Amino acid sequence: EVQLVQSGAEVKKPGESLKIPCKGSGYSFSTYWIGWVRQVPGKGLEWMGMVYPGDAETRYSPSFQGQVTFSADRSITTAFLQWNSLKASDTAMYFCARRKLDAFDIWGQGTMVTVSS
Amino acid sequence: DVQMTQSPSSLSASVGDRVTITCQASQDISTYLNWYQQKPGHPPKLLISETSDLETGVPSRFSGSGSGTDFTLTISSLQPEDIATYFCQQYDRLSSFTFGQGTKLDIK
Repeated sequence: EVQLVQSGAEVKKPGESLKIPCKGSGYSFSTYWIGWVRQVPGKGLEWMGMVYPGDAETRYSPSFQGQVTFSADRSITTAFLQWNSLKASDTAMYFCARRKLDAFDIWGQGTMVTVSS
Repeated sequence: DVQMTQSPSSLSASVGDRVTITCQASQDISTYLNWYQQKPGHPPKLLISETSDLETGVPSRFSGSGSGTDFTLTISSLQPEDIATYFCQQYDRLSSFTFGQGTKLDIK
């Protein structure tokens, strides 16, 4: 079964760092882009950017450039989304999704990140 | 950047109704338009890709049409399990993805 599995909810304080994983299985992980999508509770979907595990190439939405970092480790078929200094406004659900052509066909279940003092 | 304007933002309809949701792009995106269904507590699910290609397992009551800047998602006969929020999504030549604001569909 093709799937992306994300980790459980995180509660962090402003200024803290965080790296959340997205583990792929059931397909050739290195040959598909992994995108990241933010969803503030009750709101819409925002494309943050993506990483290509094959060569670690990354692309960022201008809205998220410099705010987060994408990476991937092919040896453990896992992509990562990282913050160096979290803000309260980063509170949201974060989904990873496999890019297939111009769409996202497989989604992780999401990781809820809450940033609060 | 390409902007996507989705309408309506919410919609109430009866079981068996024909439901139409529209999405307008700020510039020509050819047929690079996809539709997703999201139920509460779940990730989005890809329903239709490339404007009109139904994903495997998606009921045939769902269909998509359009090209250029104007696109439509149609549910021919609304079923209770179709209650969800629907999002359109475009892909442009700058390798950028944009989602519409979403349409929340419920039963009247």
